[in-house]
Amino acid sequence: GNSVTQMEGPVTLSEEAFLTINCTYTATGYPSLFWYVQYPGEGLQLLLKATKADDKGSNKGFEATYRKETTSFHLEKGSVQVSDSAVYFCALSDSSNTGKLIFGQGTTLQVKP
Amino acid sequence: DAGVIQSPRHEVTEMGQEVTLRCKPISGHNSLFWYRQTMMRGLELLIYFNNNVPIDDSGMPEDRFSAKMPNASFSTLKIQPSEPRDSAVYFCASRGQGYSGANVLTFGAGSRLTVL
Repeated sequence: GNSVTQMEGPVTLSEEAFLTINCTYTATGYPSLFWYVQYPGEGLQLLLKATKADDKGSNKGFEATYRKETTSFHLEKGSVQVSDSAVYFCALSDSSNTGKLIFGQGTTLQVKP
Repeated sequence: DAGVIQSPRHEVTEMGQEVTLRCKPISGHNSLFWYRQTMMRGLELLIYFNNNVPIDDSGMPEDRFSAKMPNASFSTLKIQPSEPRDSAVYFCASRGQGYSGANVLTFGAGSRLTVL
Protein backbone atom coordinates (compact mmCIF):
# COMPACT_ATOMS: atom_id res chain seq x y z
CA GLY A 1 0.00 0.00 0.00
CA ASN A 2 0.90 3.66 -0.16
CA SER A 3 3.14 5.02 2.58
CA VAL A 4 5.30 7.98 3.55
CA THR A 5 8.51 7.87 5.57
CA GLN A 6 10.07 10.95 7.13
CA MET A 7 13.31 11.43 8.95
CA GLU A 8 12.92 11.20 12.67
CA GLY A 9 13.14 14.28 14.77
CA PRO A 10 13.51 16.40 16.62
CA VAL A 11 15.69 18.55 14.44
CA THR A 12 17.36 21.38 16.33
CA LEU A 13 19.00 24.20 14.40
CA SER A 14 20.34 27.65 15.05
CA GLU A 15 18.70 30.62 13.38
CA GLU A 16 19.84 31.13 9.76
CA ALA A 17 20.98 27.51 9.42
CA PHE A 18 20.11 25.40 6.36
CA LEU A 19 17.24 22.96 6.78
CA THR A 20 16.63 19.62 5.13
CA ILE A 21 13.87 17.23 6.19
CA ASN A 22 13.92 14.00 4.23
CA CYS A 23 10.76 12.38 2.92
CA THR A 24 10.40 9.28 0.78
CA TYR A 25 7.25 7.60 -0.39
CA THR A 26 5.87 4.35 -1.73
CA ALA A 27 2.94 4.59 -4.09
CA THR A 28 1.47 3.14 -7.24
CA GLY A 29 0.60 5.40 -10.10
CA TYR A 30 1.28 9.12 -9.94
CA PRO A 31 0.61 10.56 -6.51
CA SER A 32 0.56 14.22 -5.56
CA LEU A 33 2.95 15.19 -2.77
CA PHE A 34 2.52 17.73 0.01
CA TRP A 35 4.22 19.30 2.96
CA TYR A 36 1.98 20.46 5.80
CA VAL A 37 3.09 22.40 8.88
CA GLN A 38 1.55 22.30 12.35
CA TYR A 39 2.32 25.10 14.77
CA PRO A 40 1.79 24.43 18.50
CA GLY A 41 -1.88 24.11 19.39
CA GLU A 42 -3.06 24.54 15.82
CA GLY A 43 -4.28 22.40 12.94
CA LEU A 44 -2.24 21.48 9.91
CA GLN A 45 -1.65 24.09 7.23
CA LEU A 46 -0.58 23.41 3.67
CA LEU A 47 2.99 24.59 3.15
CA LEU A 48 3.61 23.50 -0.44
CA LYS A 49 2.70 20.85 -2.98
CA ALA A 50 3.76 19.21 -6.23
CA THR A 51 1.51 17.23 -8.50
CA LYS A 52 3.89 15.62 -11.00
CA ALA A 53 7.47 14.50 -11.37
CA ASP A 54 10.12 17.24 -11.39
CA ASP A 55 7.64 19.84 -10.10
CA LYS A 56 9.06 22.12 -7.44
CA GLY A 57 6.73 23.38 -4.75
CA SER A 58 7.74 26.53 -2.88
CA ASN A 59 6.33 28.82 -0.22
CA LYS A 60 7.72 31.12 2.50
CA GLY A 61 11.30 30.23 1.54
CA PHE A 62 10.65 26.48 1.72
CA GLU A 63 11.12 24.29 -1.34
CA ALA A 64 10.65 20.64 -2.26
CA THR A 65 11.13 18.87 -5.60
CA TYR A 66 9.12 15.83 -6.65
CA ARG A 67 11.74 13.21 -7.57
CA LYS A 68 10.14 10.16 -9.08
CA GLU A 69 13.41 8.35 -9.70
CA THR A 70 14.27 8.42 -6.00
CA THR A 71 10.63 8.53 -4.76
CA SER A 72 11.53 11.52 -2.62
CA PHE A 73 10.15 14.95 -1.72
CA HIS A 74 12.71 16.47 0.64
CA LEU A 75 11.89 19.80 2.28
CA GLU A 76 14.58 22.50 2.28
CA LYS A 77 14.99 26.06 3.46
CA GLY A 78 18.14 28.08 3.11
CA SER A 79 17.89 30.09 6.32
CA VAL A 80 15.50 29.11 9.10
CA GLN A 81 13.95 31.47 11.62
CA VAL A 82 12.75 30.91 15.16
CA SER A 83 9.20 31.29 13.84
CA ASP A 84 9.70 28.17 11.67
CA SER A 85 9.67 26.01 14.80
CA ALA A 86 6.83 23.56 14.23
CA VAL A 87 6.04 19.99 13.21
CA TYR A 88 6.35 19.26 9.49
CA PHE A 89 4.38 16.50 7.79
CA CYS A 90 5.04 14.99 4.40
CA ALA A 91 1.97 13.53 2.73
CA LEU A 92 0.76 11.96 -0.47
CA SER A 93 -2.56 11.56 -2.17
CA ASP A 94 -3.04 8.85 -4.70
CA SER A 95 -4.09 9.40 -8.28
CA SER A 96 -7.73 8.53 -7.60
CA ASN A 97 -8.56 12.13 -6.66
CA THR A 98 -10.44 11.12 -3.53
CA GLY A 99 -8.65 13.73 -1.48
CA LYS A 100 -7.40 11.13 0.99
CA LEU A 101 -3.99 12.04 2.35
CA ILE A 102 -1.49 9.58 3.80
CA PHE A 103 0.86 11.31 6.23
CA GLY A 104 4.35 10.61 7.43
CA GLN A 105 5.01 10.56 11.15
CA GLY A 106 5.97 14.23 11.29
CA THR A 107 9.31 15.87 12.07
CA THR A 108 9.63 18.39 14.88
CA LEU A 109 11.83 21.37 14.06
CA GLN A 110 13.15 23.59 16.82
CA VAL A 111 15.04 26.71 15.84
CA LYS A 112 17.08 28.44 18.52
CA PRO A 113 18.02 32.12 18.41
CA ASP B 1 -14.03 32.71 5.39
CA ALA B 2 -13.83 31.35 8.94
CA GLY B 3 -12.16 28.13 7.85
CA VAL B 4 -13.03 24.71 9.22
CA ILE B 5 -14.58 25.08 12.67
CA GLN B 6 -14.36 22.34 15.27
CA SER B 7 -15.87 22.10 18.71
CA PRO B 8 -15.12 21.56 21.47
CA ARG B 9 -11.44 22.49 21.40
CA HIS B 10 -10.81 20.51 24.57
CA GLU B 11 -12.84 17.74 26.17
CA VAL B 12 -12.06 15.84 29.34
CA THR B 13 -14.37 12.99 30.17
CA GLU B 14 -14.48 9.78 32.14
CA MET B 15 -14.27 6.31 30.70
CA GLY B 16 -17.66 5.06 29.58
CA GLN B 17 -19.09 8.45 28.76
CA GLU B 18 -20.34 9.44 25.33
CA VAL B 19 -18.28 11.99 23.43
CA THR B 20 -19.49 14.02 20.46
CA LEU B 21 -17.12 16.10 18.36
CA ARG B 22 -18.46 18.58 15.86
CA CYS B 23 -17.22 20.04 12.61
CA LYS B 24 -18.38 22.77 10.27
CA PRO B 25 -16.55 22.58 6.93
CA ILE B 26 -15.79 25.51 4.68
CA SER B 27 -18.87 26.61 2.79
CA GLY B 28 -18.90 25.12 -0.70
CA HIS B 29 -16.51 22.30 0.11
CA ASN B 30 -18.05 18.93 -0.71
CA SER B 31 -15.57 16.51 0.90
CA LEU B 32 -15.03 16.14 4.63
CA PHE B 33 -12.42 14.07 6.46
CA TRP B 34 -11.95 13.03 10.09
CA TYR B 35 -8.38 12.33 11.22
CA ARG B 36 -7.01 11.26 14.60
CA GLN B 37 -3.55 12.25 15.82
CA THR B 38 -1.63 10.41 18.53
CA MET B 39 2.02 10.25 19.43
CA MET B 40 2.17 6.52 18.79
CA ARG B 41 0.28 6.31 15.51
CA GLY B 42 0.62 9.77 14.02
CA LEU B 43 -2.20 11.01 11.79
CA GLU B 44 -4.77 8.39 10.85
CA LEU B 45 -7.71 8.86 8.53
CA LEU B 46 -10.86 7.64 10.26
CA ILE B 47 -13.56 8.35 7.70
CA TYR B 48 -14.38 10.65 4.83
CA PHE B 49 -17.55 11.92 3.20
CA ASN B 50 -18.25 13.10 -0.32
CA ASN B 51 -21.42 15.15 -0.83
CA ASN B 52 -22.53 14.14 2.70
CA VAL B 53 -22.23 10.42 1.92
CA PRO B 54 -19.68 8.27 3.81
CA ILE B 55 -17.27 6.88 1.24
CA ASP B 56 -14.61 5.11 3.26
CA ASP B 57 -14.88 4.30 6.95
CA SER B 58 -12.21 1.62 7.00
CA GLY B 59 -10.15 3.69 9.42
CA MET B 60 -12.79 3.79 12.12
CA PRO B 61 -11.22 1.78 14.93
CA GLU B 62 -14.29 -0.11 16.12
CA ASP B 63 -18.02 0.01 16.54
CA ARG B 64 -17.74 2.47 19.40
CA PHE B 65 -16.96 5.12 16.79
CA SER B 66 -19.58 6.56 14.47
CA ALA B 67 -19.71 9.59 12.19
CA LYS B 68 -22.54 11.40 10.49
CA MET B 69 -22.93 14.24 8.06
CA PRO B 70 -26.62 15.22 8.03
CA ASN B 71 -26.02 18.19 5.73
CA ALA B 72 -23.26 19.96 3.84
CA SER B 73 -22.41 22.26 6.73
CA PHE B 74 -22.18 19.91 9.68
CA SER B 75 -20.58 16.63 10.74
CA THR B 76 -20.23 14.78 14.02
CA LEU B 77 -17.88 12.11 15.28
CA LYS B 78 -19.26 10.17 18.23
CA ILE B 79 -17.52 7.78 20.59
CA GLN B 80 -19.75 5.67 22.81
CA PRO B 81 -18.57 4.41 25.23
CA SER B 82 -15.25 6.23 25.42
CA GLU B 83 -12.04 4.58 26.64
CA PRO B 84 -8.70 6.02 27.78
CA ARG B 85 -7.04 4.80 24.58
CA ASP B 86 -9.31 7.13 22.60
CA SER B 87 -7.41 10.09 24.03
CA ALA B 88 -6.05 11.99 21.02
CA VAL B 89 -6.47 15.11 18.94
CA TYR B 90 -9.24 14.72 16.39
CA PHE B 91 -9.02 16.85 13.25
CA CYS B 92 -11.67 17.63 10.72
CA ALA B 93 -10.67 18.75 7.21
CA SER B 94 -12.58 19.74 4.10
CA ARG B 95 -11.87 19.98 0.38
CA GLY B 96 -13.64 21.71 -2.46
CA GLN B 97 -14.58 20.03 -5.70
CA GLY B 98 -12.87 21.29 -8.78
CA TYR B 99 -10.60 23.35 -6.62
CA SER B 100 -7.48 24.41 -8.42
CA GLY B 101 -5.45 23.08 -5.52
CA ALA B 102 -6.34 19.48 -6.23
CA ASN B 103 -6.49 17.27 -3.15
CA VAL B 104 -5.60 20.17 -0.87
CA LEU B 105 -7.27 19.74 2.49
CA THR B 106 -8.02 22.60 4.88
CA PHE B 107 -7.82 21.49 8.50
CA GLY B 108 -9.61 22.71 11.57
CA ALA B 109 -7.76 23.50 14.79
CA GLY B 110 -8.62 20.11 16.25
CA SER B 111 -10.47 18.77 19.30
CA ARG B 112 -8.21 17.46 22.06
CA LEU B 113 -9.93 14.58 23.85
CA THR B 114 -8.78 13.20 27.17
CA VAL B 115 -10.55 10.16 28.55
CA LEU B 116 -9.74 9.45 32.20
